[in-house]
Amino acid sequence: SQQGEEDPQALSIQEGENATMNCSYKTSINNLQWYRQNSGRGLVHLILIRSNEREKHSGRLRVTLDTSKKSSSLLITASRAADTASYFCATGLPTTSGTYKYIFGTGTRLKVLA
Amino acid sequence: DVKVTQSSRYLVKRTGEKVFLECVQDMDHENMFWYRQDPGLGLRLIYFSYDVKMKEKGDIPEGYSVSREKKERFSLILESASTNQTSMYLCASRLDRVLSNQPQHFGDGTRLSIL
Repeated sequence: SQQGEEDPQALSIQEGENATMNCSYKTSINNLQWYRQNSGRGLVHLILIRSNEREKHSGRLRVTLDTSKKSSSLLITASRAADTASYFCATGLPTTSGTYKYIFGTGTRLKVLA
Repeated sequence: DVKVTQSSRYLVKRTGEKVFLECVQDMDHENMFWYRQDPGLGLRLIYFSYDVKMKEKGDIPEGYSVSREKKERFSLILESASTNQTSMYLCASRLDRVLSNQPQHFGDGTRLSIL
């Protein structure tokens, strides 16, 4: 089963507005990561937040983490048409080989209208 | 910058064929991964490798196998392709085997159609 689930599935906003996406996960985590995927391309890492952090910023991105609710949110401020993409959260699960596999959610499709 | 290269962007094969998808990374990463991505289902992990010749099943390994003979190359094999394996396949790599706080680097994907 998926470790992360994003909400909403799709979001359409006007340029200049803020976009908020949410992610829920099921088990305890060391950290949570957000990725972006432009149409027809691979995923690109955006930001990582550790389990002992509540908020983290990177440019126009703001990520929050609430481990008691097992949820995270990604806020993109002052959105641009170039922010149009799908956004995924990912969490790591330990494996029998001693490494971690990352489990990705189903993603939020963001469309920013010019 | 890390570069993960998938050999084909688009591939069309026939049912029953043996299909090879190739992935190469140029940064000496220990971990490599194969995912498939389908609308509404997100990314699902097929197989991963944490060292040369070492592999572990992901969440949906049925119908697939993998090979990692060299550290930089990770191949996904569809033993006998079926139409339900039509999908976008994404390869990824990650530097460290033990740490869980590192980004994964993805290739641009192979869109595979099985006719």
